[in-house]
Amino acid sequence: GQQLNQSPQSMFIQEGEDVSMNCTSSSIFNTWLWYKQEPGEGPVLLIALYKAGELTSNGRLTAQFGITRKDSFLNISASIPSDVGIYFCAGQPIQGAQKLVFGQGTRLTINP
Amino acid sequence: DSGVTQTPKHLITATGQRVTLRCSPRSGDLSVYWYQQSLDQGLQFLIHYYNGEERAKGNILERFSAQQFPDLHSELNLSSLELGDSALYFCASSLGGGGTEAFFGQGTRLTVV
Repeated sequence: GQQLNQSPQSMFIQEGEDVSMNCTSSSIFNTWLWYKQEPGEGPVLLIALYKAGELTSNGRLTAQFGITRKDSFLNISASIPSDVGIYFCAGQPIQGAQKLVFGQGTRLTINP
Repeated sequence: DSGVTQTPKHLITATGQRVTLRCSPRSGDLSVYWYQQSLDQGLQFLIHYYNGEERAKGNILERFSAQQFPDLHSELNLSSLELGDSALYFCASSLGGGGTEAFFGQGTRLTVV
């Protein structure tokens, strides 16, 4: 089935640093989404991307839908302690469009 | 607060038992999705209902079933529980049936002992 390869699996950074993570797939996706999950909570939608090449920002977060429709990246600028959590990419496949396929997540830890 | 309500938040039960997880979608949302999150499998799609009808199935075990009621709340029934069924079960809802911009509840943590 469709799989998303998300990297890195974990990141340990200093407060104030920029962060970059990405997702790749061998399949084409219609839509890319980025979610953040904190302990004890469900995933929260951060950014949704609907067109190849689309670049969208949400505050300090920026995400892009790859031109090939097989990848996406998320950047976080000037990280702060509340950015800690697990970030998931998710894609809506062309076939089976009723569901989202999730990456394995990137665990972000920030040293103050 | 996403507006999606899941109950109970925690559930501990024995192998072989049956449990029901409940989800109330955001007001106005017609779609409900169920996902399973375990440590080694990440978030896995189970099933999607739209306005009371099943729309899509993922890798949902035959021991699991779901339904969406006329008031749009949904229940996920897990039977003949095994240790490996221990996981977080999330419900998500969206306005349409396309699977995108889904808003997740806080989840039900199921522990099978």
